[in-house]
Amino acid sequence: GEDVEQSLFLSVREGDSSVINCTYTDSSSTYLYWYKQEPGAGLQLLTYIFSNMDMKQDQRLTVLLNKKDKHLSLRIADTQTGDSAIYFCAESIVGKLIFGQGTELSVKP
Amino acid sequence: DAEITQSPRHKITETGRQVTLACHQTWNHNNMFWYRQDLGHGLRLIHYSYGVQDTNKGEVSDGYSVSRSNTEDLPLTLESAASSQTSVYFCASSEFSASTPGGDEQFFGPGTRLTVL
Repeated sequence: GEDVEQSLFLSVREGDSSVINCTYTDSSSTYLYWYKQEPGAGLQLLTYIFSNMDMKQDQRLTVLLNKKDKHLSLRIADTQTGDSAIYFCAESIVGKLIFGQGTELSVKP
Repeated sequence: DAEITQSPRHKITETGRQVTLACHQTWNHNNMFWYRQDLGHGLRLIHYSYGVQDTNKGEVSDGYSVSRSNTEDLPLTLESAASSQTSVYFCASSEFSASTPGGDEQFFGPGTRLTVL
């Protein structure tokens, strides 16, 4: 079956690195995504990784993909208060996205 | 700029009433989706459409219906609203292409907060 799991909360101090983890079940997913949701808003695509890649770096963001363990992580370097939001991972299956529950990131000054 | 809009942004209704939530996109995307967001559940797919006259059920479709008469709009109807349908509803659109970087990235509307009393 299709299932994506994330921990619900993460709290870090400003300037530290944040690591948000995600596990998925469908090994046929072509793309895996990270979306960000700020309070009262819709979801915005943060980054994505193609399933044949192990790592993708985009400025302060690093995505790691372990296909063997079906594990995806998002690392945010030098976390800022503006990074406080809910982060969703999602796997792509035949044009549909299956989302995790979302991880609420709280950044303390 | 292309966008996806939802209306109303907030709605309060009573149990048993029919409610329709609007979704309009100017991306000219073929694919459109409706999700509901509840604490602890993330986003769950209600219905989706891959083109005009095409509709499909998602994982939580009971009590909801959609119709797709044109590319731009996918209205979501709650036939007889129930308190369990109190939620935040998001519409999204995409244009899946295996050759496009990002594949099937979905673009989301701002959401509709629905309260059923």
